[in-house]
Formats: sequence, structure tokens, C-alpha cells
Amino acid sequence: EVQLLESGGGLVQPGGSLRLSCAASGFTFSSYAMSWVRQAPGKGLEWVSVISGSGGSTYYADSVKGRFTISRDNSKDTLFLQMNSLRAEDTAVYYCAKVPNWNYLNWFDPWGQGTLVTVSS
Amino acid sequence: QSALTQPPSASGSPGQSVTISCTGTSSDVGRYNSVSWYQQHPGKAPKLMIYEVSKRPSGVPDRFSGSKSGNTASLTVSGLQAEDEADYYCSSYAGSNNFVVFGGGTKLTVL
Repeated sequence: EVQLLESGGGLVQPGGSLRLSCAASGFTFSSYAMSWVRQAPGKGLEWVSVISGSGGSTYYADSVKGRFTISRDNSKDTLFLQMNSLRAEDTAVYYCAKVPNWNYLNWFDPWGQGTLVTVSS
Repeated sequence: QSALTQPPSASGSPGQSVTISCTGTSSDVGRYNSVSWYQQHPGKAPKLMIYEVSKRPSGVPDRFSGSKSGNTASLTVSGLQAEDEADYYCSSYAGSNNFVVFGGGTKLTVL
């Protein structure tokens, strides 16, 4: 069974940094792209970033470009999201998701349970 | 403001059918056969229901179907059941500038 387990969320002050992790199991991690998608409280879904299976290709939403960095450690089956210069509007539940087909970057299956990031002073 | 437009709400009685629309542009929904739909129950993670416009992952009931015409995609839920009550989000690939866009979500109520 494919499982994704996020961690690393919490309360951080504006301008601060946080690193999220997503531990994967149940599939050959290095063979699949992975993505982060976030959901602000009471709001809809927003795509954040994607990384290819090898880690050689990464893409970002304009709202986080230059502040967030996606990476992965295929030896540890773990996905990361380094978030710097955090703003109040980054407050959200952050989900990691497997991307079954690189040709369809909006196909996310499955999703982790999410980790809450709160940016507030 | 979401890139794709969905109605905020939809409803139907048990056993009925309901269709949720998702309107984009010629740069996303209209250009790529890469529309997906997600179901989200309160406090839970989203679940893939439809991918590549009309394909169902294993385990998703065939009561759920997807289609597309021009810049508008649709999700139809037939034979509504109480457990179908949830939020539904559409998504589309949007090319190498915006990559992935979502709709604002539709709250489906089973009356």
C-alpha cells in the first residue's frame, strides 16, 4: 500500500523558515515525480511545486518561486520542501502527493494526510 | 481567484444525478486532455476520482464520470449516495508557465 506521511509543520513567524518532509513507502520512490499542494484554511487547493523522479527537474508556482525549494532524497524515500521568507498567506495545510505520470503534472494520487503550517507573529 | 471556475455548490437527492462544471480557457482545459477531479471530505486529504478527463482509478465507483467540451470539463455523479457529499475540485495542466491550476471547489450536498 502506498503511504505518504508529512511532517515538519508548525508555527513560524513572518520572514522565518520551515522545512517540510514527506516519507514515502509502498512504491519505488525514485521512479515517480512528487508534488506539494497546499490548502489555506477554509479555501481551495493550490499547487506549489513538483520534482521529477531523479530530482533533476523542478517547477514552482509563481507565488512561491524564489522562496521555496523542493528536493528529494531517493536513498531515504523522502521528499522535502524548504520554505524561506514565509508570509502570512503561506499559512495552509501542505500535502505531498505522488505524480503517477510526468506527462500529466496535475494527476495526484495518492495524497498524504497533510501538515499544517501557520505563519503568524 | 482560482484559475478554473466551478460553481460554489451543487445538490441532489439520493439516486439522482448531478453534474459539476469546471470552466477554464484555451490555455488549460481547452488545450490539454489533462483534467483531473478530486473529492475531499471534511478534515481529510483529497482523493483522485477522475484523471485524463474521463478515466477512473481502480476503486472509484463507475457512478463517477468525467467529460470535456471545449474549455469546460464536467464531473457527473450518478445514483447519488450520502457518502458522495463532499467538496470536489477540478484541476488542469496549464502549460510550462503556470503548470497546474485548480478550480475553487464545489460543495456537493446530498439532500
